[in-house]
Parts: sequence; C-alpha cells; structure tokens
Amino acid sequence: GQSLEQPSEVTAVEGAIVQINCTYQTSGFYGLSWYQQHDGGAPTFLSYNALDGLEETGRFSSFLSRSDSYGYLLLQELQMKDSASYFCAVRDTGGFKTIFGAGTRLFVKA
Amino acid sequence: DVKVTQSSRYLVKRTGEKVFLECVQDMDHENMFWYRQDPGLGLRLIYFSYDVKMKEKGDIPEGYSVSREKKERFSLILESASTNQTSMYLCASRTAGGTDTQYFGPGTRLTVL
Repeated sequence: GQSLEQPSEVTAVEGAIVQINCTYQTSGFYGLSWYQQHDGGAPTFLSYNALDGLEETGRFSSFLSRSDSYGYLLLQELQMKDSASYFCAVRDTGGFKTIFGAGTRLFVKA
Repeated sequence: DVKVTQSSRYLVKRTGEKVFLECVQDMDHENMFWYRQDPGLGLRLIYFSYDVKMKEKGDIPEGYSVSREKKERFSLILESASTNQTSMYLCASRTAGGTDTQYFGPGTRLTVL
C-alpha cells in the first residue's frame, strides 16, 4: 500500500529549531511537498522537493533523500505563529495524484 | 491573488439527501481535486480532474461523484448523504506542470444528521 509516516505531535520553544520527519512508501514518486494548516484554515503550500538535497525558503527548509524515501521540514527561529499542523505529501509518478500524510501538530511554547 | 472558493463554509443536511458542493478557481488551472479531512487521517483524495470533463477516482470515491463541465468549476456530489460523510471537504487546484503547488479553498464543513 501507499503510506506516509510523520510524527503526530511535536512541541518546541519559541526561537528554537524543529525538524519534522516524513518517510514514505508509495508506488511511484514525483516529488515531496509540505503544507501548513492553521486551525480553521486551509492548507497552504510551503515547499516542494523533486531532487535530493535541501531547499531553503526563509526560516523554512525542506530536505529530500529519494534513496531513503525520507524527507524533513526544518523550521528555524520558531515563532508562536508557527503553531499549526504540517503535512507532507507525495506526488505520484503519473503526476496527477497527491497522497498526504496524517499531519504533525506543532506546538510552540513561549 | 490566486483564489479558490467553495460554495458554503458550513452545511447541514439530512441522511439520504443529495448534496452538491461547488468549487471555483480563477487561476486557469487544469487540475482540480476534492479531499475530505478527518482528525488523525490527514487529507484523503476523493476525486480529481486533470482537465475539463475528465475525472479520476481517488482513494475514497465510494458514495461520491463529480462533475467538471467548465475549467474553473469542479463539483462534488453526495448522491445520498450518510452520517459517515460528516467531514470537512476541501477543494484544491493546481497547474498541470511544475511543482505540486496546490491552492486550497476555505473548506466546507458538512454535517449529515
């Protein structure tokens, strides 16, 4: 079957760095995405990795290792507003479907 | 500014009713999606459409159908609503090429009594 595994919850302190891991097992792979969703809001796109390595966008970075079927989202200089759910998602080989993980709830404490 | 709109934020229906959820995007995107979101289960794909009049089943299509007569509009239909279809429904759109950037609508919270 197809599955994405990510931790259900992570807690960190304001100003710290946190890493949210995602391992995937899918029939095909086109790329790994990350989305952020605040309570009551819609998911918003954060980053996309099609190739191995690190992609940086401001305080957020995303990493992919296709040989390990693994990626992570790195959030630096955590702020209270980063408290949200974060979803990893894999776009399958055909390029149409995207499979989402169950999400990681990030709590940022003062 | 890109925009995906959904016809209702909250909807309450009775078991057995036919329910229509509408989604409109203004970005000229080829691909559109319907997901449902339940606590602890993430987003599960119900149906997607890669172009006008084209549709493909997602992972949980049972009890649902879709219609895409125009590029900007993708409708989700619950033929006979049941209580286990109580959920948050999210529509998204994406351009055909490039990254997997999906733009989501605000969601419709459907309650079936």
